[in-house]
Amino acid sequence: QVQLVQSGAEVKKPGASVKVSCKASGYTFTSYDINWVRQATGQGLEWMGWMNPNSGNTGYAQKFQGRVTITRNTSISTAYMELSSLRSEDTAVYYCARAVYYYGSGMFDPWGQGTLVTVSS
Amino acid sequence: DIQMTQSPSSLSASVGDRVTITCRASQSISSYLNWYQQKPGKAPKLLIYAASSLQSGVPSRFSGSGSGTDFTLTISSLQPEDFATYYCQQSYSTVTFGPGTKVDIK
Repeated sequence: QVQLVQSGAEVKKPGASVKVSCKASGYTFTSYDINWVRQATGQGLEWMGWMNPNSGNTGYAQKFQGRVTITRNTSISTAYMELSSLRSEDTAVYYCARAVYYYGSGMFDPWGQGTLVTVSS
Repeated sequence: DIQMTQSPSSLSASVGDRVTITCRASQSISSYLNWYQQKPGKAPKLLIYAASSLQSGVPSRFSGSGSGTDFTLTISSLQPEDFATYYCQQSYSTVTFGPGTKVDIK
């Protein structure tokens, strides 16, 4: 079955960087975009950016421009999201999600299980 | 950026009730609107895509409607497993999510 499995929880100090992985299985990794979404505790969903695993092309939400980098390793069907200059407000669960397009409308299915990133001194 | 709003922000309902959640976009997004269900501690799950298409495996009591700026998610007869938070998401211009609607037990 189509599945995205993310790396484990991380604890980082303010100013550090974190890199979260997302391993895809059950489909051709290079055929679908991967998106990253985060959710602070008790809050809503916040889209961070996308990547085309075939070309490596990326797009980022303006809020995260300059701080987030999405990359991939096609040989192991894995996408990565790196967030730098961490601050306490970046404490959240980070999700990867596969984008599926239907007549141009992009939907996210499935999602990874989420990775908790805690930023604390 | 396109802003999404949802109403109500929360509601209390009983098993068997008909529940309607509204999502509004700050500008027309055609039918580029999806709905997700999220339970505590779990990742969101796709319910409805392209405003009104039911995702495979999702019970038929869920339905979506609307186009342009106003959209609706309806649960025709609320079941115990439907108590969750529901989010709308637009994909017309980048991606934005609504703030969510929490459905809990009356």
